[in-house]
Amino acid sequence: GQSLEQPSEVTAVEGAIVQINCTYQTSGFYGLSWYQQHDGGAPTFLSYNGLDGLEETGRFSSFLSRSDSYGYLLLQELQMKDSASYFCAVGDQTGANNLFFGTGTRLTVIP
Amino acid sequence: EAGVTQSPTHLIKTRGQQATLRCSPISGHTSVYWYQQALGLGLQFLLWYDEGEERNRGNFPPRFSGRQFPNYSSELNVNALELEDSALYLCASSLIRGGSQETQYFGPGTRLLVL
Repeated sequence: GQSLEQPSEVTAVEGAIVQINCTYQTSGFYGLSWYQQHDGGAPTFLSYNGLDGLEETGRFSSFLSRSDSYGYLLLQELQMKDSASYFCAVGDQTGANNLFFGTGTRLTVIP
Repeated sequence: EAGVTQSPTHLIKTRGQQATLRCSPISGHTSVYWYQQALGLGLQFLLWYDEGEERNRGNFPPRFSGRQFPNYSSELNVNALELEDSALYLCASSLIRGGSQETQYFGPGTRLLVL
């Protein structure tokens, strides 16, 4: 089976940097994805790591270490609109596209 | 390009009734996924359809079922509704091109309330 661990809540100041960690256990690894969900909204894709290392997309970066079964999402220059829930997700034993989501980290950005 | 659409946006049912939720994927996407998100919780995988076939189902009872039509749209049926079925039901679609993980595009969801 799969299990994913994320912090349940994180609070950070506008303009700062925040890191959201995700540790996983899975039989068969097919990459780690991150999704953002605003209250009342649908999840939207942020980033994907199939190999070890850092992926950068604007203010967002995601890191993966397969040997440590660990990844993180890094948000820089935080804006109030970044207040949302962030989910990490891995593929399950069925394959890369059958995603198993973590319970999510609620990020609150304060002025 | 139109995104994933779901209908209805809200649905109110009573215990024991049946609910039918619908999803239209992004044009060209053959895979449709269904998730349940109870209030304040994460996404629980329900069902995955690709090319009209059920590829996998999550840890849900058989009263949760669905199908995918030839045009790749999909339907989720929940029979014998229970109070704890009240949740946001999200549909997502993706391409399937190979072994790597594809981005899933989510619809706005159907909020089901069971009274």
